[in-house]
Amino acid sequence: GENVEQHPSTLSVQEGDSAVIKCTYSDSASNYFPWYKQELGKRPQLIIDIRSNVGEKKDQRIAVTLNKTAKHFSLHITETQPEDSAVYFCAALNNAGNMLTFGGGTRLMVKP
Amino acid sequence: NAGVMQNPRHLVRRRGQEARLRCSPMKGHSHVYWYRQLPEEGLKFMVYLQKENIIDESGMPKERFSAEFPKEGPSILRIQQVVRGDSAAYFCASSPAFLNTEAFFGQGTRLTVV
Repeated sequence: GENVEQHPSTLSVQEGDSAVIKCTYSDSASNYFPWYKQELGKRPQLIIDIRSNVGEKKDQRIAVTLNKTAKHFSLHITETQPEDSAVYFCAALNNAGNMLTFGGGTRLMVKP
Repeated sequence: NAGVMQNPRHLVRRRGQEARLRCSPMKGHSHVYWYRQLPEEGLKFMVYLQKENIIDESGMPKERFSAEFPKEGPSILRIQQVVRGDSAAYFCASSPAFLNTEAFFGQGTRLTVV
């Protein structure tokens, strides 16, 4: 089955700096890669996603890149703010479209 | 649209009791997924259901755990004879079709076994 690895497990940045979180996946047939943000005690919420037919997608301060050949994708947050502090999960959807496999999560701390 | 509704939000059970977790998907969504999250860990897939059908239960323990999604009413995740290791947050997500559209998560049920 699919295996998703996520790094780093914790990331501390200064407010205004950029943050990058990286994920690799094992199933070359996976075609949909969402990113979820989970604040303490709350539900995971989708922040951005990318499909396998594009290499990059941007939404304001958040961008995601996908390298299908290398089977990795990354989340980039620019001009970080304290409210960006949360746990971020990447995920990969299997080819059958019926299972999301999540990475282990990255705890991002933005210091004011 | 009220979103994905899970109840109860918090559930305390003694070892050996049964736990029933409910998930009402978003209106119009016919696909439900259950995930378990242990403290400080990621989301682990348990089971995927469509109305009246279990599609994939490969992530669910073979014993004590069962899930259903009846024609009417919420999806139920049932854990019999709970043990301390079952303590976790259980999230369900729903989507209108296959998961190449956004899956929306509920608030989760935090199960504590004492």
